Amino acid sequence: EDQVTQSPEALRLQEGESSSLNCSYTVSGLRGLFWYRQDPGKGPEFLFTLYSAGEEKEKERLKATLTKKESFLHITAPKPEDSATYLCAVLRGYGGSQGNLIFGKGTKLSVKP
Amino acid sequence: DAGVIQSPRHEVTEMGQEVTLRCKPISGHNSLFWYRQTMMRGLELLIYFNNNVPIDDSGMPEDRFSAKMPNASFSTLKIQPSEPRDSAVYFCASSRWGRELTDTQYFGPGTRLTVL
Repeated sequence: EDQVTQSPEALRLQEGESSSLNCSYTVSGLRGLFWYRQDPGKGPEFLFTLYSAGEEKEKERLKATLTKKESFLHITAPKPEDSATYLCAVLRGYGGSQGNLIFGKGTKLSVKP
Repeated sequence: DAGVIQSPRHEVTEMGQEVTLRCKPISGHNSLFWYRQTMMRGLELLIYFNNNVPIDDSGMPEDRFSAKMPNASFSTLKIQPSEPRDSAVYFCASSRWGRELTDTQYFGPGTRLTVL
């Protein structure tokens, strides 16, 4: 069964304290791995897409990496405004067909000043 | 450019009533997705359309749920009759699926549904 597991469920950091969020997956026909950020009361906001093992992408204090079984979202020197729930999702599909996303349950990040 | 638009943002109704949620995808996008989010189950895909045609509705919980996409700029998700266990946040997302296969889905702000 296709599955996406995120850890930890919740993470509390002090401002400036770097850390990593984990997303492990088992899926057949993986076409891509997505990271989203979700603030309370809002829809998920797209951050990154990774397509192949070894790929890395960066945006401000965030860096996403991908291996064959998991992805990491590294947060360097976080600020309070980085507090949010971070969602990982895998896109599965075959051939030329439209794929669909399977989401993990997210990691709730709190950054204290 | 406007993002995905959903209405209403909040809906409170009584058990047994019909509920209709609405979504306008991003202009030029040809795929539309309906999700439901709860604390227990997270984000779950209910149904998705490609070029206005339903592709996969295996996530629709039961016959009380139905979705339509009469044209490229509008979709509805209807629950009839509603039950308290349908209380959740419902999201609509759209993407431009095609040769590039970027498949990035952009989400609307959601509709918070409460069934009393």
